[in-house]
Formats: sequence, structure tokens, C-alpha cells
Amino acid sequence: TQLLEQSPQFLSIQEGENLTVYCNSSSVFSSLQWYRQEPGEGPVLLVTVVTGGEVKKLKRLTFQFGDARKDSSLHITAAQPGDTGLYLCAGVYNYGQNFVFGPGTRLSVLP
Amino acid sequence: DSGVTQTPKHLITATGQRVTLRCSPRSGDLSVYWYQQSLDQGLQFLIQYYNGEERAKGNILERFSAQQFPDLHSELNLSSLELGDSALYFCASSPRTSGGAYNEQFFGPGTRLTVL
Repeated sequence: TQLLEQSPQFLSIQEGENLTVYCNSSSVFSSLQWYRQEPGEGPVLLVTVVTGGEVKKLKRLTFQFGDARKDSSLHITAAQPGDTGLYLCAGVYNYGQNFVFGPGTRLSVLP
Repeated sequence: DSGVTQTPKHLITATGQRVTLRCSPRSGDLSVYWYQQSLDQGLQFLIQYYNGEERAKGNILERFSAQQFPDLHSELNLSSLELGDSALYFCASSPRTSGGAYNEQFFGPGTRLTVL
């Protein structure tokens, strides 16, 4: 059974601070995805990382996939209130057929 | 707008009742996934369909069932409802069942179910 853990569970920071959230598993995945969900809405895909050690940047967000393809991190530089939301990681396996979601990190960026 | 539609947006019902949630995937997507999200919790995978056939089952209760129709829309049926079934129910669609590592899901806006 594929399981994902995310840490921290909650994070509250001031605008302008940097932060890193983590996604860990004992399973190897074909790829790992990060989604952001705002209250009352569905998750929206931010990025997919595929290759072990891969780093992808999306404006102020930096995503890294672990060398063994079991874990990932999301780093946000100079956080803004608009970054507030639930960040979910999802492991993709079984040739892209199946997804397992972590419990999420709930981020609050205060102005 | 992801292109995935879900109806109704809100549903309030009583314990013991039965409800049906509806999902229309993005145009051209063959896979539909259903998820349950309770308050302050992550997404719990319920069931997946691909082109009308069930492909994977997650933590779906026996009181719940789903199907995907020839026009690819899907319905999730919840029966003998309990207070604990109150949650957000999301549908997601995906372009293909074996698209490899870059396969992604597009989520609908969800149906908020309240059981009183």
C-alpha cells in the first residue's frame, strides 16, 4: 500500500518569509505531483516531477524530487498572502493509472 | 476553470437517505476518479473508472457505488447516509489510463454534502 506523509501539518508565517514543506514515502513512485487547494475549491496541479533529483521552478516555488523518487520538497521564497492554501502531494504509480494523496500542509501567510 | 463539472454544488439531506452526485469530465478525458475530503483532512480515493469500466477501488464503503456512462459522465451514489458521510466529494478526470508519469488529474469544484 502506497502511503504519503507530509510535514508540517500546519504552517503560519509572515509575508516575505521563506518556507519548505515536505512529502515523504517508503514507496517509489513513477512521479510525484504537487497540488494547491483553496477553501471550497478543487485542487489545482502545480507541478509534476519525474526524474530522481529533478528540480523544477515555478516563479517563487521550487520543487525537488528525491534521488530515490520516494520524497519531495516544496520551497517557497518570499511568501505572499496569495500563497495561502492546502498543499497536497500526490504519488503517481502503476504506469500513471493511480494516484495517492498525502494529508496536506495547510499554509497561512499573514500580511 | 478545470473543465470538470459537478452537480449539485451543495446537498443537505437526512440520515438514512440516498443521494446521487454527478460529474462530467473534461472533453476527451476517459478516466474519472472520485474522492472524499472530510473537514481538515486530505483526499481519500474512493473509486476510478476508465471508459465505462471500473479500474481501481479505494476506501469506498459498501453503501456507496458509482458508475460511468457511455457519454463518460459519472455518478456516485451514496445510500443509508450517516452523519459521518458529511464531506466534500470531488470528481477528477484524467486524459488516459496509462499515460505514464506525466498523467495528471483535473478536479471539479466539488459537491458539499451535509447529512443532518
